[in-house]
Amino acid sequence: GNSVTQMEGPVTLSEEAFLTINCTYTATGYPSLFWYVQYPGEGLQLLLKATKADDKGSNKGFEATYRKETTSFHLEKGSVQVSDSAVYFCALSEDTGGFKTIFGAGTRLFVKA
Amino acid sequence: DAGITQSPRYKITETGRQVTLMCHQTWSHSYMFWYRQDLGHGLRLIYYSAAADITDKGEVPDGYVVSRSKTENFPLTLESATRSQTSVYFCASRTTGVGMSNSPLHFGNGTRLTVT
Repeated sequence: GNSVTQMEGPVTLSEEAFLTINCTYTATGYPSLFWYVQYPGEGLQLLLKATKADDKGSNKGFEATYRKETTSFHLEKGSVQVSDSAVYFCALSEDTGGFKTIFGAGTRLFVKA
Repeated sequence: DAGITQSPRYKITETGRQVTLMCHQTWSHSYMFWYRQDLGHGLRLIYYSAAADITDKGEVPDGYVVSRSKTENFPLTLESATRSQTSVYFCASRTTGVGMSNSPLHFGNGTRLTVT
């Protein structure tokens, strides 16, 4: 079945450091790929998405490119802020059946001032 | 306000008791989902519903029951709670139509359930 694997955390960075969170997926068909972010005590919210190969999703300085050849969707940000501290989830949305969304285990990011 | 609301936010119950978690959305989204979030597992799908009166099992359905008599409500019931069902439960919805796989999920703020 379809699955998502992302790097384990926690990831601890200093403010203004470069961020990469790796995500790879296994899927049949043509899924859409998402990054969601979860702040303490809240539900997940969409950070960015990409719907086909070579698409780049971007939002709030975060970027991720849908790489079909490497089945990857790595999240990057050039300069993190303390306010970026959160848990980040990579996810894929199936394009058939129940259109279910499958999540990775999540990566917790701590940014120090 | 438009959105998706879960209640209660926190619940403590005893092993063997029945408990129902509520979910209400105001967008009239056809699809609704229940996930549980556990450390190291991310979010795992319990049940989902494509429309009123249409439900289907997800990855971890055992011990749970759902119903959907109205489009806007999707309650989740634990018929006889067990300690392994201690978790944070999230309800989500998404729009439907052409390109539905492209549409993101909209989440509630979750219910933290503790089974003692």
